[in-house]
Amino acid sequence: ETGVTQTPRHLVMGMTNKKSLKCEQHLGHNAMYWYKQSAKKPLELMFVYSLEERVENNSVPSRFSPECPNSSHLFLHLHTLQPEDSALYLCASSQDYKQAYEQYFGPGTRLTVT
Amino acid sequence: GEDVEQSLFLSVREGDSSVINCTYTDSSSTYLYWYKQEPGAGLQLLTYIFSNMDMKQDQRLTVLLNKKDKHLSLRIADTQTGDSAIYFCAESTPRNDMRFGAGTRLTVKP
Repeated sequence: ETGVTQTPRHLVMGMTNKKSLKCEQHLGHNAMYWYKQSAKKPLELMFVYSLEERVENNSVPSRFSPECPNSSHLFLHLHTLQPEDSALYLCASSQDYKQAYEQYFGPGTRLTVT
Repeated sequence: GEDVEQSLFLSVREGDSSVINCTYTDSSSTYLYWYKQEPGAGLQLLTYIFSNMDMKQDQRLTVLLNKKDKHLSLRIADTQTGDSAIYFCAESTPRNDMRFGAGTRLTVKP
């Protein structure tokens, strides 16, 4: 596999469920990102990891919990979500955090919270 | 304003030129970008321009930057049905923040 992959591609979950989104990059990059894409709204940066350490956390509710066990993998753990959390969640990576302009995006996970 | 702003929809006929406009927020932004998102796919970097340039051309794509007005545009010449997608304008600030617009959905009619 090449590039940035995300699983699952689609997820439907109830408000009491716990689920995780997975992102994997095969590019040898050191920085990884989670974005939320809601319809007709700007892309929102949620979390940034550089060399497996979190460098940004943009006021994201605690029901979203990121994990970066190594520089190739990034998870987003979800629990007790709200219907307004339904969105496309995009993962991206870049060579370094300082080169954020060269981000490569995964295909996204379409999340529906019922 | 606080947001990167783009109009949400644009419709053109095949063969015409498309112009997608964007206003960004930070006059000290170092790079301005255009991303393309096709259905079911992530964002793909189309092109970017350094803030000290006012124009960049790459085959059918022309990017114009008006730094004084903080205005960025993407012109697609000879638009094809395969160009139908959502186009995102983005800026990166000296803090290395990436800020995206809401995207412009381009529809190309045969």
